[in-house]
Amino acid sequence: GEDVEQSLFLSVREGDSSVINCTYTDSSSTYLYWYKQEPGAGLQLLTYIFSNMDMKQDQRLTVLLNKKDKHLSLRIADTQTGDSAIYFCAEGGTDSNYQLIWGAGTKLIIKP
Amino acid sequence: DVKVTQSSRYLVKRTGEKVFLECVQDMDHENMFWYRQDPGLGLRLIYFSYDVKMKEKGDIPEGYSVSREKKERFSLILESASTNQTSMYLCASSSGQGEAFFGQGTRLTVV
Repeated sequence: GEDVEQSLFLSVREGDSSVINCTYTDSSSTYLYWYKQEPGAGLQLLTYIFSNMDMKQDQRLTVLLNKKDKHLSLRIADTQTGDSAIYFCAEGGTDSNYQLIWGAGTKLIIKP
Repeated sequence: DVKVTQSSRYLVKRTGEKVFLECVQDMDHENMFWYRQDPGLGLRLIYFSYDVKMKEKGDIPEGYSVSREKKERFSLILESASTNQTSMYLCASSSGQGEAFFGQGTRLTVV
């Protein structure tokens, strides 16, 4: 069945770049998403990319999509303590339009 | 701004109690969802609804039911709460393909 995988933890030093990776199995997805969940809060959409794009940049965020390998990554430049959160990868926009398929979430830990 | 509001941030209930979790959205979205979130398991879909009075089972519907009598409100019901239903519950809504807006979550503890 459809599956989205991401590692559970990533630790980076403040000021370095963070790269969070995600792999997915459903090649027919129209959209791929990154959501951010700060401690004690619900999820918020961080950014998304259409499946016909390779890259999307938004300020400190860069999303890279490799459709051949079904690999999605989120790069956060100049990582700050406020970036500490859990980052969820999700795919959607297939025949089952109502649902997103979610990864387990990557907890980003910032070291001073 | 889209707003999805869950009725409680924290709940503590006893085993066997009937529990209602309420969710309201103010953006006239057709689709609403209930997820539970557990460490290392990410988000798991319990139920979703694509219209008033319509509902579909998600990945883990056992022990839960839902109600959608009005477009803006989607309720999750635990018929007889058990300790393995201790979790964070997240409600979301969307207007169509993709982007979902989430409530702040309800942390339920069943003792």
